[in-house]
Amino acid sequence: AQSVTQLGSHVSVSEGALVLLRCNYSSSVPPYLFWYVQYPNQGLQLLLKYTSAATLVKGINDFEAEFKKSETSFHLTKPSAHMSDAAEYFCAVSDQGRNTGKLIFGQGTTLQVKP
Amino acid sequence: DVKVTQSSRYLVKRTGEKVFLECVQDMDHENMFWYRQDPGLGLRLIYFSYDVKMKEKGDIPEGYSVSREKKERFSLILESASTNQTSMYLCASSLSGSSGNTIYFGEGSWLTVV
Repeated sequence: AQSVTQLGSHVSVSEGALVLLRCNYSSSVPPYLFWYVQYPNQGLQLLLKYTSAATLVKGINDFEAEFKKSETSFHLTKPSAHMSDAAEYFCAVSDQGRNTGKLIFGQGTTLQVKP
Repeated sequence: DVKVTQSSRYLVKRTGEKVFLECVQDMDHENMFWYRQDPGLGLRLIYFSYDVKMKEKGDIPEGYSVSREKKERFSLILESASTNQTSMYLCASSLSGSSGNTIYFGEGSWLTVV
């Protein structure tokens, strides 16, 4: 069975500092991996996704993530945090083989950005 | 622009009531999903549908049913609402054919059962 673990339910950074949100996955088959962001009182918006092309994936708002098969990780980074990045972030995995489109989500990480 | 619309953003219902949550997408997507979001638990799949009149149970289907009579519309039904169904409900849709296709979400429906 697939699963996703996000390390740290709450991350706090200063404005301008590096953002690092950690995600580890478990999958017996090659995965597709996703990062979504949820702003307060809104639905989820796709930040970026890995679909077995380049291992370093660039997304919107200067976010990027690197797929590391040996570490079963897909950590999300951004070089310089903005106040507007404060939100909840979800890592998710789907099964390449089954094509059902279902996603398994992690528990979420709330990012706080301090001025 | 893609659009998944959930008809009710905030609902308050009484225990035992039958509750309908409606979702419409305008992207001609084959797949539609209902997720439940709770603090510390992330999103959990209740039901999904990969075609009209087709449905499959997700991870937490107990107490819920769904209906998909038209391609663009996917309804979540709580037959007899209970307080432990107080939650945020998110509808989503995607194209079929690959699990790498992006899933698009609605803005969510906050349901409180009293």
